Amino acid sequence: QSALTQPASVSGSPGQSITISCTGTSSDVGSYNLVSWYQQHPGKAPKVMIYEVTKRPSGVSSRFSGSKSGNTASLTISGLQAEDEADYYCCSYAGSGTRVFGGGTRLTVL
Amino acid sequence: EVQLLESGGGLVQPGGSLRLSCAASGFTFSDYGMSWVRQAPGKGLEWVSAISGSGSDTFYADSVKGRFTISRDNSKNTLYLQMNSLRAEDTAGYYCARIIAVAGHFDYWGQGTLVTVSS
Repeated sequence: QSALTQPASVSGSPGQSITISCTGTSSDVGSYNLVSWYQQHPGKAPKVMIYEVTKRPSGVSSRFSGSKSGNTASLTISGLQAEDEADYYCCSYAGSGTRVFGGGTRLTVL
Repeated sequence: EVQLLESGGGLVQPGGSLRLSCAASGFTFSDYGMSWVRQAPGKGLEWVSAISGSGSDTFYADSVKGRFTISRDNSKNTLYLQMNSLRAEDTAGYYCARIIAVAGHFDYWGQGTLVTVSS
């Protein structure tokens, strides 16, 4: 149950697009289309932004999108806005009812 | 409106025990799996445990297996986490979260309860 690998930080200017990668193994990300992404603002509970690799919950902006290739999943945020500044975590199902999170990525909107 | 309210956190000595509770409302509790996720101060999220809607299936992270026990009382709409043999590294905010199916994502989260393990 090793953590998925995410970049510690990414940044972008308002209006730009950024992509956060999430690298796992053939036992988690590579085996299941069950990757989800969570946004967490300081002092707040996480909020799901993407689930099952590409699906967006009702109410989440279409500026958020997800994808996966092999053992790496990605979250793309287009048209960056100040309110997008937060920590982002990926999570993958890892079999036998278990899950594994990424280490988290801090997004800074310049 | 789905609501999850954790309680039971606090200060405990190493080797001690604590039981967390999560009171659920706004949905048919027994229809959903539930999970605990923790976050050490200033650190990332760590999945801890999950339980099926009926309570018949339970799952644990290696880091807590044998020390923590997840359970639920569907008549009280409440999720529990019994934590024994606590260690300093168990210090974290503990969130309960609703999960979509045993393998699904976390769609609703509580606000968390803080557990501090220290002498």
